[in-house]
Amino acid sequence: EAQVTQNPRYLITVTGKKLTVTCSQNMNHEYMSWYRQDPGLGLRQIYYSMNVEVTDKGDVPEGYKVSRKEKRNFPLILESPSPNQTSLYFCASSPPGTVNTDTQYFGPGTRLTVL
Amino acid sequence: AQRVTQPEKLLSVFKGAPVELKCNYSYSGSPELFWYVQYSRQRLQLLLRHISRESIKGFTADLNKGETSFHLKKPFAQEEDSAMYYCALRWGYNFNKFYFGSGTKLNVKP
Repeated sequence: EAQVTQNPRYLITVTGKKLTVTCSQNMNHEYMSWYRQDPGLGLRQIYYSMNVEVTDKGDVPEGYKVSRKEKRNFPLILESPSPNQTSLYFCASSPPGTVNTDTQYFGPGTRLTVL
Repeated sequence: AQRVTQPEKLLSVFKGAPVELKCNYSYSGSPELFWYVQYSRQRLQLLLRHISRESIKGFTADLNKGETSFHLKKPFAQEEDSAMYYCALRWGYNFNKFYFGSGTKLNVKP
């Protein structure tokens, strides 16, 4: 089944403890993106990647890192999480071709709580 | 700065009534706008895009550059239309950046 998976789905952690949220897609998509969703603010783009080893900042990249070593995986790294990073995180991927980046396939979401 | 505004957090209508979900944008270039929908217990998915001028599930949206709006409309709402709707703007050098509105929850009552 074609899909985007995220792990973990739920995570409670403490300030300063490094964590990684994984994202994987099995559709051979080139474009992948991370979003955070907060009440009243909608989805805000954190980072995106056009292809392997090609990443760029979205609207709210501070406090996050990403890597794209293989096409299928796009992990989100929080080196030193803080309480203001408590949020619902979504990963998304899109078929090849710039024109198709709007057809994003979203993961199920990861609810992160930083104490 | 690029911005997308959805002024209504919640919109409640009765089945069979017309629906209009408002979206206004602020963008200095040529905008590309989309509507995404998230049904209960489902993932966020693309509903429609302005460039294709399509009607999906009875929904249409017209880009009005003069009013900088991209409102989503349906003449007769159905209960299965109840969902969270997000307006989104695609921008950036390669049109790979997205800006989403805060969303409108549509509740269609029987």
